[in-house]
Amino acid sequence: DAKTTQPNSMESNEEEPVHLPCNHSTISGTDYIHWYRQLPSQGPEYVIHGLTSNVNNRMASLAIAEDRKSSTLILHRATLRDAAVYYCSHTGTASKLTFGTGTRLQVTL
Amino acid sequence: EPEVTQTPSHQVTQMGQEVILRCVPISNHLYFYWYRQILGQKVEFLVSFYNNEISEKSEIFDDQFSVERPDGSNFTLKIRSTKLEDSAMYFCASSGSVYNSPLHFGNGTRLTVT
Repeated sequence: DAKTTQPNSMESNEEEPVHLPCNHSTISGTDYIHWYRQLPSQGPEYVIHGLTSNVNNRMASLAIAEDRKSSTLILHRATLRDAAVYYCSHTGTASKLTFGTGTRLQVTL
Repeated sequence: EPEVTQTPSHQVTQMGQEVILRCVPISNHLYFYWYRQILGQKVEFLVSFYNNEISEKSEIFDDQFSVERPDGSNFTLKIRSTKLEDSAMYFCASSGSVYNSPLHFGNGTRLTVT
């Protein structure tokens, strides 16, 4: 299983950027880095994934360290709807995507 | 946007009873998964399924569990004889392909075993 380390919780003010860090201590050369989030009372939701280069999509940006041992999920302007538990993972195949305990993001006015 | 749907949203059963949790994956997806989340704990992988057979399963997925794709649209998880510790949220997911495809999750079935 992927071994990742994330802070238990983070806080942000609304409309400010948020940087959520993750350490990928067991990542191997062909593993992709994935981020999901789980809003209250919902299933996990895909956010973004990447291999080596930084990635952007409509939800977020993903910054990947050169050695790939860490990644950062960037929410450019946090909203109240972004309050969720954010999970990072890495896997060579999606057949066994595993989740750690994640970072609980609180967004305040 | 197409989505994964799960029924029922909440299932209550007595210990020792069989339950079947149902999922309708996204129609053109080929890979299917079950995860569970015990209250207050992390989301745990149970099993993945492709081409009508199990691709991978976790140690949680013992002989009491089985999965099936009985027709072209449904994907089911059966627990033969439920135990109190099976109480959890069960999430179904599907993806278009294995490599690097995002998993799309349903909103889960809350199973309560009494």
